Amino acid sequence: DSGVTQTPKHLITATGQRVTLRCSPRSGDLSVYWYQQSLDQGLQFLIQYYNGEERAKGNILERFSAQQFPDLHSELNLSSLELGDSALYFCASSVGQLATNEKLFFGSGTQLSVL
Amino acid sequence: SQQGEEDPQALSIQEGENATMNCSYKTSINNLQWYRQNSGRGLVHLILIRSNEREKHSGRLRVTLDTSKKSSSLLITASRAADTASYFCVHLKETSGSRLTFGEGTQLTVNP
Repeated sequence: DSGVTQTPKHLITATGQRVTLRCSPRSGDLSVYWYQQSLDQGLQFLIQYYNGEERAKGNILERFSAQQFPDLHSELNLSSLELGDSALYFCASSVGQLATNEKLFFGSGTQLSVL
Repeated sequence: SQQGEEDPQALSIQEGENATMNCSYKTSINNLQWYRQNSGRGLVHLILIRSNEREKHSGRLRVTLDTSKKSSSLLITASRAADTASYFCVHLKETSGSRLTFGEGTQLTVNP
């Protein structure tokens, strides 16, 4: 168990809908990272938050947004869903912003299916 | 980005054999890390090697780093069926931290 909790584990929805994925980082970790993994795109970095502030942005679509709350949990909001958004969404956490010897701890992911 | 390029893309071996995976990168680094992903599960950190280290061991894992060639290798000795997974390398760039980007990985299959 990595200590990173993601809910829900599975989510099935329809095109055009909006969903929220939730992540609780390991106790004491200040950074949260979101990744999307699909068969054709591999593991894509979406966004990183550190202590409530956005710190790095990857290939995140404008239809997607995220935030990190004062209790450090994070939510990834996906709207106007398309079939191509079907993927495994991972959250990871780290103590800081990946200083020299830090590593990432991954949650078990949310499998999103858009029908 | 800090993407590693793993090679080979796929590797199939028999139980008990050794498996070697390679990783190349393009920039100067602080450290290089290897992660494992079992099918459909989250990635698990295996080992971290710092830029001033050349070799590191952890159980049946041996990682080497050649900064002059900008490459690393992961050796799994006496492989087991449970080692079947995808293996990813990722490195932390010297100058900026947060955008750890993973490559396509090496899919290792260990046949019993």
